[in-house]
Amino acid sequence: DADVTQTPRNRITKTGKRIMLECSQTKGHDRMYWYRQDPGLGLRLIYYSFDVKDINKGEISDGYSVSRQAQAKFSLSLESAIPNQTALYFCATGASASYNEQFFGPGTRLTVL
Amino acid sequence: DQQVKQNSPSLSVQEGRISILNCDYTNSMFDYFLWYKKYPAEGPTFLISISSIKDKNEDGRFTVFLNKSAKHLSLHIVPSQPGDSAVYFCAASGNAGNMLTFGGGTRLMVKP
Repeated sequence: DADVTQTPRNRITKTGKRIMLECSQTKGHDRMYWYRQDPGLGLRLIYYSFDVKDINKGEISDGYSVSRQAQAKFSLSLESAIPNQTALYFCATGASASYNEQFFGPGTRLTVL
Repeated sequence: DQQVKQNSPSLSVQEGRISILNCDYTNSMFDYFLWYKKYPAEGPTFLISISSIKDKNEDGRFTVFLNKSAKHLSLHIVPSQPGDSAVYFCAASGNAGNMLTFGGGTRLMVKP
């Protein structure tokens, strides 16, 4: 079974709709992250959380919000989706005892029409 | 401006030859560097890393070289295999908390 899972894997939606992407992990890691990937730009950090009570903005948080429902669950919401949020979204986890290495989920491909 | 750059979007290599992927960074506070490999429809997976106290780290066919004065690192794959065909991301970190800054990626194609 995958250690980091994301749902849905693919989603097509319309401008203005609210969308939630979910991430679950069984690795027991404290730290969780949301990234988006765009061609040529690599992965850019949207939000991150070091524990259930901790939420921090990343490089490109505008237009997004997150919720850390439990140590194992971290969801990303687009309150009102717009076309330039069309991208590949990745959730990742990291152990506080493990310097820097992160473990990624399989990604969610989101298309906003 | 991007703090981590991979200037070659793609690289094509013959099977059995050496693949060299390059990465440059601008932030002198970065002290730990990682390479991730990504296949289509999958998330990135960790490949190899290097601390700034070293200039080389080797793991099987994969070797990462770090030149701190030039703010440059490279990943060598020898010998290259068709299964190595993927997108490779360079990442850097300069603080605790696993915060990573990624490059734009290089697509490697290894031809049989």
